[in-house]
Amino acid sequence: RKEVEQDPGPFNVPEGATVAFNCTYSNSASQSFFWYRQDCRKEPKLLMSVYSSGNEDGRFTAQLNRASQYISLLIRDSKLSDSATYLCVVNPNNNDMRFGAGTRLTVKP
Amino acid sequence: GAGVSQSPSNKVTEKGKDVELRCDPISGHTALYWYRQSLGQGLEFLIYFQGNSAPDKSGLPSDRFSAERTGGSVSTLTIQRTQQEDSAVYLCASSPDSRGCTFGSGTRLTVV
Repeated sequence: RKEVEQDPGPFNVPEGATVAFNCTYSNSASQSFFWYRQDCRKEPKLLMSVYSSGNEDGRFTAQLNRASQYISLLIRDSKLSDSATYLCVVNPNNNDMRFGAGTRLTVKP
Repeated sequence: GAGVSQSPSNKVTEKGKDVELRCDPISGHTALYWYRQSLGQGLEFLIYFQGNSAPDKSGLPSDRFSAERTGGSVSTLTIQRTQQEDSAVYLCASSPDSRGCTFGSGTRLTVV
């Protein structure tokens, strides 16, 4: 079992829809969590960091559930430009990073 | 499995040695990418292969780094004369088109 698992998708949603992805992690001692947006070829863009219960930035909300060991990313009012791969990254300690395989999202008109 | 496979998962090497990191992409994916995550840094693009086209090497940090992709499938990232600053997680991803990548679990390289 991978240390960080994501549903690879693809998630195909219409413009304006709300979509949510989950990312589960196996190391219960993990302290920090990140969602990256990856358009491939370009530098992945840090979308959101999650250190406590959650974080919200505009249309994007990340939530952490320590009891069930997962983080989620919710995108409201999705735009065509939200189409990308969303990568979950977990920091089990200060010197390490663990990566999910990414969740692919396609937003259609 | 059907995912992107990277090997080894962990590599410890002595400074000055050469290392090879391997990436097995998802079958049929024409695009393959290498990134690295250094301690305290974000994900850094290294190189991009698309089909039979010449690779985009614009992200390689020095001429000690090279990569090849044989037969449009397996890729090897080679680091010559490793330095301590090369210590990082090296991440590979593949894609069937220009959008949407699937990532491997990475190779953690430690240069001592």
